[in-house]
Amino acid sequence: DAGVIQSPRHEVTEMGQEVTLRCKPISGHNSLFWYRQTMMRGLELLIYFNNNVPIDDSGMPEDRFSAKMPNASFSTLKIQPSEPRDSAVYFCASRPTGKGEKLFFGSGTQLSVL
Amino acid sequence: QKEVEQNSGPLSVPEGAIASLNCTYSDRGSQSFFWYRQYSGKSPELIMFIYSNGDKEDGRFTAQLNKASQYVFLLIRDSQPSDSATYLCAGIKAAGNKLTFGGGTRVLVKP
Repeated sequence: DAGVIQSPRHEVTEMGQEVTLRCKPISGHNSLFWYRQTMMRGLELLIYFNNNVPIDDSGMPEDRFSAKMPNASFSTLKIQPSEPRDSAVYFCASRPTGKGEKLFFGSGTQLSVL
Repeated sequence: QKEVEQNSGPLSVPEGAIASLNCTYSDRGSQSFFWYRQYSGKSPELIMFIYSNGDKEDGRFTAQLNKASQYVFLLIRDSQPSDSATYLCAGIKAAGNKLTFGGGTRVLVKP
């Protein structure tokens, strides 16, 4: 099992540019979560999907952020336009149904917006 | 008030001692709780989960849940330098819902 796969591992971009983060959940997991982690705010849930459908996007900071899950094996988180305050580590996690609610995290994407 | 609160630390303990971490939560509807360990620069990994009031032991780790007082403890016995990490407490209201994390407690185990 390859685990949750995120790409890229590191992203450095300039303010105003579009950023796309990618995630491949573990096969068979039907829930997918996007978290953002900073020193100041800790680990914050941005959005989560069940069976490819967005369930709760109340954590998405503003309209600059959008997330999609076109199929069970792929999700994207897009920031357009990016701002320096978006700099953080973005984690994707997946979870199977009925298996104790255990979240499996990807390695994260370190985003730096200059 | 944050839904899940933790002391940020650092909690410094000598090698071999017991590390005691606590977590409080505000939503009485929370049903299950999880402790994740996160090493610097790495992703969180689950070490314990607890659903019922009382204690749950797994190796050197013990989780304690008191729903009446709305707190969750994690005890690490015989602390090792490799236990030095940030420990995140998380709660969930019901199966299929979102997991809400506290800010984490940084633990330093000194040889």
